[in-house]
Amino acid sequence: DTGVSQNPRHKITKRGQNVTFRCDPISEHNRLYWYRQTLGQGPEFLTYFQNEAQLEKSRLLSDRFSAERPKGSFSTLEIQRTEQGDSAMYLCASSYDRRNTEAFFGQGTRLTVV
Amino acid sequence: KNQVEQSPQSLIILEGKNCTLQCNYTVSPFSNLRWYKQDTGRGPVSLTIMTFSENTKSNGRYTATLDADTKQSSLHITASQLSDSASYICVVRGDSNYQLIWGAGTKLIIKP
Repeated sequence: DTGVSQNPRHKITKRGQNVTFRCDPISEHNRLYWYRQTLGQGPEFLTYFQNEAQLEKSRLLSDRFSAERPKGSFSTLEIQRTEQGDSAMYLCASSYDRRNTEAFFGQGTRLTVV
Repeated sequence: KNQVEQSPQSLIILEGKNCTLQCNYTVSPFSNLRWYKQDTGRGPVSLTIMTFSENTKSNGRYTATLDADTKQSSLHITASQLSDSASYICVVRGDSNYQLIWGAGTKLIIKP
């Protein structure tokens, strides 16, 4: 499978715990995006990488959230001190560095904070 | 304010019938418009991307239209199949590298 891969697919955690998600983009893609999606809503932008550089962060990304893409390949999204409001689907997407190119999404990580 | 609005919010049709989903946007400047299909619990899958100069684009049984003057787009599904049951999301890209403005989607249910 050469698509965008996200792990784990599902994560249940207790409030206050830290969680980390991983995204492996399509290998030739140098752009990587993280989104959060709640039920019945479209995805909300969280952050964007161009290679290893994090170029933009949404105001939705509180200081409990941190994302890295250390070698410009895979990326991790960490949520510290999880809250029930963090329960959502976290989607990763990647694309080429061209304007009108489509972004390919992974299957997402479903986070449930209990 | 940059917004994408979709209608209807949900739609139920019988297998084999056609349907049209609507998307209105106020995003400016405009770069491109995309339609995604999202199955429940899965990531979105791109159906079409349309730039300012494109009026119509087809992908199998899916045909998207774009009127950049009125800032409206539609997605027409022909001869619907049960597997078409999904949410269809309209996404407009502004001028920046990351600014994708997402609609809330239309939930389509195909009944046998």
